[in-house]
Amino acid sequence: DGGITQSPKYLFRKEGQNVTLSCEQNLNHDAMYWYRQDPGQGLRLIYYSQIVNDFQKGDIAEGYSVSREKKESFPLTVTSAQKNPTAFYLCASSSPPRTDYRNTEAFFGQGTRLTVV
Amino acid sequence: AQSVTQPDIHITVSEGASLELRCNYSYGATPYLFWYVQSPGQGLQLLLKYFSGDTLVQGIKGFEAEFKRSQSSFNLRKPSVHWSDAAEYFCAVGSYTGTASKLTFGTGTRLQVTL
Repeated sequence: DGGITQSPKYLFRKEGQNVTLSCEQNLNHDAMYWYRQDPGQGLRLIYYSQIVNDFQKGDIAEGYSVSREKKESFPLTVTSAQKNPTAFYLCASSSPPRTDYRNTEAFFGQGTRLTVV
Repeated sequence: AQSVTQPDIHITVSEGASLELRCNYSYGATPYLFWYVQSPGQGLQLLLKYFSGDTLVQGIKGFEAEFKRSQSSFNLRKPSVHWSDAAEYFCAVGSYTGTASKLTFGTGTRLQVTL
């Protein structure tokens, strides 16, 4: 079955540690996204990538880093510089047609809940 | 810059009653609009989308939405709510930055259904 797999589902981090969240898709989608979700704030875009080896900062990129070495994979690293990392993180992918790149129907993974302990 | 406003944080309806969730958008061109639903602790599932054409679009699970350009709105409706519809609903607008596509979401509306 095609889809997006995020792992782990739950992650605990000590303060000062970096952690990496995994996101893999087998939908052959070009674009991938990372969102952070906090209660009452909706989904805020962290980073997004249209193609391999290229990515852009979203609205809240500070304290995060990403890589896009393969089309299928878009891991997110939460660094120690992120002051409030406890949140629910969602990865998504889409395949906007060349006829209109605004057509960003996205498919989402099941999320990773990160807690700082 | 594009933005989405969902003015209702929380809505409670009785099972069998009708539902309307509000969404207002800001976008400089013809918008691509989406409604997603999220069950607790889960990812998001697409309910419906609007690109052009008929301003009333049908989606899954009996939902529909109406695009009104004059009001910059894309409200989600359902004639008769089921208890299983209790979830959080997000409206989103698609855009292209010149180098990449992205979705901008509203803050969501949490729907509670009473029996």
